[in-house]
Amino acid sequence: AQSVTQPDIHITVSEGASLELRCNYSYGATPYLFWYVQSPGQGLQLLLKYFSGDTLVQGIKGFEAEFKRSQSSFNLRKPSVHWSDAAEYFCALYINTDKLIFGTGTRLQVFP
Amino acid sequence: NAGVTQTPKFRILKIGQSMTLQCTQDMNHNYMYWYRQDPGMGLKLIYYSVGAGITDKGEVPNGYNVSRSTTEDFPLRLELAAPSQTSVYFCASSGRSQETQYFGPGTRLLVL
Repeated sequence: AQSVTQPDIHITVSEGASLELRCNYSYGATPYLFWYVQSPGQGLQLLLKYFSGDTLVQGIKGFEAEFKRSQSSFNLRKPSVHWSDAAEYFCALYINTDKLIFGTGTRLQVFP
Repeated sequence: NAGVTQTPKFRILKIGQSMTLQCTQDMNHNYMYWYRQDPGMGLKLIYYSVGAGITDKGEVPNGYNVSRSTTEDFPLRLELAAPSQTSVYFCASSGRSQETQYFGPGTRLLVL
């Protein structure tokens, strides 16, 4: 069955430190993968997406993600975290029935 | 260009009451979706629509109804509110790149 797993429920980093949020998926076909960010009390904003081609994709706010088919992963990274990056991050998988399957999210806390 | 708008932002219902959550998009998108978000559970698809007059059930449709009489509007109806429907509800839409969904700010519903 199709699924998305975000193993880390909560991550805490210091401002200026690097960040990697993990995402693993299960899907039998070529995946379309997304990362969304949700700031407190807000809706979801698309950070980046992967459909095909270059496995390293760039997104907004300085985020990037790398698709690794062999590991069924699509991890999100940022070289230097800002306090404004504190939010909840969702990885999502598009399946060919017009649906997105979301992971359970990773809450990022940033210390000054 | 407002994108996806949702009303109300917050509502308290008594058990057994009914209400309609409104969703409007001004991007001329054919695809529209309703999700609910529960803590630690990610987003679950309630209903979706691929165009005016066409709706289909998602993963958790019980207790909800939808209609899609226009391209712009996709209201979600709760007929007999139950405490299990306490959640945050998000509406989303997608266009020609149907994989990429754009989200509204959400409606927080509390059923007591």
